[in-house]
Amino acid sequence: QKEVEQDPGPLSVPEGAIVSLNCTYSNSAFQYFMWYRQYSRKGPELLMYTYSSGNKEDGRFTAQVDKSSKYISLFIRDSQPSDSATYLCAMSSTTNAGKSTFGDGTTLTVKP
Amino acid sequence: DVKVTQSSRYLVKRTGEKVFLECVQDMDHENMFWYRQDPGLGLRLIYFSYDVKMKEKGDIPEGYSVSREKKERFSLILESASTNQTSMYLCASKTGTGASMLFFGEGSRLTVL
Repeated sequence: QKEVEQDPGPLSVPEGAIVSLNCTYSNSAFQYFMWYRQYSRKGPELLMYTYSSGNKEDGRFTAQVDKSSKYISLFIRDSQPSDSATYLCAMSSTTNAGKSTFGDGTTLTVKP
Repeated sequence: DVKVTQSSRYLVKRTGEKVFLECVQDMDHENMFWYRQDPGLGLRLIYFSYDVKMKEKGDIPEGYSVSREKKERFSLILESASTNQTSMYLCASKTGTGASMLFFGEGSRLTVL
């Protein structure tokens, strides 16, 4: 079983919808939680970065971490066609030289 | 603007050829990584380096080697390319030894015929 499981998608929503992207994990040592966005034929770019449990908001994006349930989410409000991309969750801990473990990604399409 | 540059975006090679993928970062980061990305398998770590001339195997090092002669440059080498090494290769860098975010290059799409 993988350390990080991500909802596989693909996900297709109309413009303006609220999107929820989710990952679960099994390693309780993970302390740092990241979301990367990857446009087609491009490298991933960091979207959100959170430490431990709680919420973090940045514009239309909210990252949520529930360490007790080993569950993280990324919410996108008022989704736009430019949000169409693959979203990767990633996690790391200081006990593993800071190496990140990635989910397989969820591909999102936002239709105008 | 921080940058990780991969020398080749698209390569086509023949089975048995030696392949070099080069990566340069301009952020003075200590740590550099090579991943491959395949549909349904996500990002898998091939090798990483936390200092010049230092390297550590990742999850799938077989068939690959790396070189880090200078801090800013990390090369991935396929000694004898095989068709199952057809993939997207991503280089990344980060600062420090603790957990922190990765900066990725644009990727190198390698096709081995």
